[in-house]
Amino acid sequence: GAVVSQHPSWVICKSGTSVKIECRSLDFQATTMFWYRQFPKQSLMLMATSNEGSKATYEQGVEKDKFLINHASLTLSTLTVTSAHPEDSSFYICSASGQEKGDQPQHFGDGTRLSIL
Amino acid sequence: AQSVTQPDIHITVSEGASLELRCNYSYGATPYLFWYVQSPGQGLQLLLKYFSGDTLVQGIKGFEAEFKRSQSSFNLRKPSVHWSDAAEYFCAVAPTGGGNKLTFGTGTQLKVEL
Repeated sequence: GAVVSQHPSWVICKSGTSVKIECRSLDFQATTMFWYRQFPKQSLMLMATSNEGSKATYEQGVEKDKFLINHASLTLSTLTVTSAHPEDSSFYICSASGQEKGDQPQHFGDGTRLSIL
Repeated sequence: AQSVTQPDIHITVSEGASLELRCNYSYGATPYLFWYVQSPGQGLQLLLKYFSGDTLVQGIKGFEAEFKRSQSSFNLRKPSVHWSDAAEYFCAVAPTGGGNKLTFGTGTQLKVEL
């Protein structure tokens, strides 16, 4: 149980294009989803918290117009990197909250490797 | 502010040897505690969690962790390491009294020698 699917797993695109990443909770309803960014050999950096039916809450320093988050249903959240540039290249990981104590634990997708040429 | 410290950046053990990965946290109260494992190019898999109760927690893949309140620690252990355990391990905490953000440690890279 508690499976989170993230798609695509790897995307390469030209500078200036927009890229959409999907995060789905397959066997549970996730009222809260999270988006992280991970640089090589580093820990995860929380970008934003996504609540179903409401606007996402972005961490300090994360450009909300650059990283658009939509959480339209209890099983799907999307992250769109708009007008992507090489510095946006990174590993992006989503997670969905479980239904246990304090909305924990978080269950993670397999990540998306984004490469901007 | 809460913080999580994993003092060992890299650890190398021989296959079959025992393993202990250290995790210390700084928090106003006892948080929820987690260990996650990440293989290269993959997401994070939950190994085990502590919410309350028995301070020795059993997880998947033969891992266990012990919560020690007096030391603010939540160390991960495995009695006999397998080559497939080579990965990055992250300790994380979350507040119990509201809010659900995870605070991660910097991770420990485990290498297993055959």
